[in-house]
Amino acid sequence: GENVEQHPSTLSVQEGDSAVIKCTYSDSASNYFPWYKQELGKRPQLIIDIRSNVGEKKDQRIAVTLNKTAKHFSLHITETQPEDSAVYFCAASKSGGGADGLTFGKGTHLIIQP
Amino acid sequence: GAVVSQHPSWVICKSGTSVKIECRSLDFQATTMFWYRQFPKQSLMLMATSNEGSKATYEQGVEKDKFLINHASLTLSTLTVTSAHPEDSSFYICSASDNNQPQHFGDGTRLSIL
Repeated sequence: GENVEQHPSTLSVQEGDSAVIKCTYSDSASNYFPWYKQELGKRPQLIIDIRSNVGEKKDQRIAVTLNKTAKHFSLHITETQPEDSAVYFCAASKSGGGADGLTFGKGTHLIIQP
Repeated sequence: GAVVSQHPSWVICKSGTSVKIECRSLDFQATTMFWYRQFPKQSLMLMATSNEGSKATYEQGVEKDKFLINHASLTLSTLTVTSAHPEDSSFYICSASDNNQPQHFGDGTRLSIL
């Protein structure tokens, strides 16, 4: 089955700086890669996703890049703010996320230092 | 849009009790619903995939007789943890999707077995 590795497990950055979280996946059949933000005790919230026919996607301060050949994808957050502090999970799926369950990475605890 | 409601949010019960958790899609018809489990400070692990009107598909290592899943309609799936024991204590989260749309998560159920 699919295996998703996520690094780093903890990331501390100064407010205003950029944060980058990286994930790799093992199953070349995976073609959908969402990123979720989860605050303590709350539901994971989709912040951005990318499909395998696209190399990069951006939404305001958040961007995701995908390298299918190398089987890795990354989340980039620019101009970080205190409210960005949370645990971020990458995930992979063989479909658009609708028909197949998601395989999650272990998560990255992002800490924004004021 | 795409609201998923999960109930109850918190359950404490004695060992040996069975507990039912409901997952509802409020504003869309969910072709597929998924059940995940998340232990403290860990990632979400897919337990099973539930399609309306058919038997759930369980992930390897998940006991189908212990975690009963019923997907009676396009807006409701239930997970029953039968004869729960302390090791079943966890955060259980459902998600729902209509075909190829991204999965949307419920608020989760924190289950504590004494």
